Amino acid sequence: EDQVTQSPEALRLQEGESSSLNCSYTVSGLRGLFWYRQDPGKGPEFLFTLYSAGEEKEKERLKATLTKKESFLHITAPKPEDSATYLCAVFGQGAQKLVFGQGTRLTINP
Amino acid sequence: KAGVTQTPRYLIKTRGQQVTLSCSPISGHRSVSWYQQTPGQGLQFLFEYFSETQRNKGNFPGRFSGRQFSNSRSEMNVSTLELGDSALYLCASSAGTGPYEQYFGPGTRLTVT
Repeated sequence: EDQVTQSPEALRLQEGESSSLNCSYTVSGLRGLFWYRQDPGKGPEFLFTLYSAGEEKEKERLKATLTKKESFLHITAPKPEDSATYLCAVFGQGAQKLVFGQGTRLTINP
Repeated sequence: KAGVTQTPRYLIKTRGQQVTLSCSPISGHRSVSWYQQTPGQGLQFLFEYFSETQRNKGNFPGRFSGRQFSNSRSEMNVSTLELGDSALYLCASSAGTGPYEQYFGPGTRLTVT
């Protein structure tokens, strides 16, 4: 069974304080790893897809990386508007569906 | 391009009733997936429809069902509602079935009393 574990559950940073969120996974034949951002009361917003180990993608202050066992979402010099829950999901060859982690709730204080 | 729309946005139902939720995907998208989100279980996959056919199903009881129409719009139905069905129900559309990016709607907040 595909599984995704995200850590930490919650993270509080000061504005400008860079950090990383972790997504560890076990999956039968990874076909894609996805990062989403979710604001309270809204649906998840797509950020990145990573398909193979060693791949990296960037968007503004966010950078996602992938290894064979985990993915990291690096946040550089965050701003208060980056506060949200960040969700990681995997799509495996066996399950053929997105399996989500519980998310990391990120708070950036001004 | 218009995003995924879901109606209604909020619903309050009584235990034992049934409910139908609607989802309109992004124009051109043929795959629609449904998810249930609760604080305890997180985001859980319900089912996926592609070209009017159910392609995959999650581990939910038969009270949860869905369908897709020829214009790719989708509905999900929950019969004999239970208190534990209270959740945010999210619909996501993608260009195809498989590891494509899925774009989520705002969700329908269902409260069962």
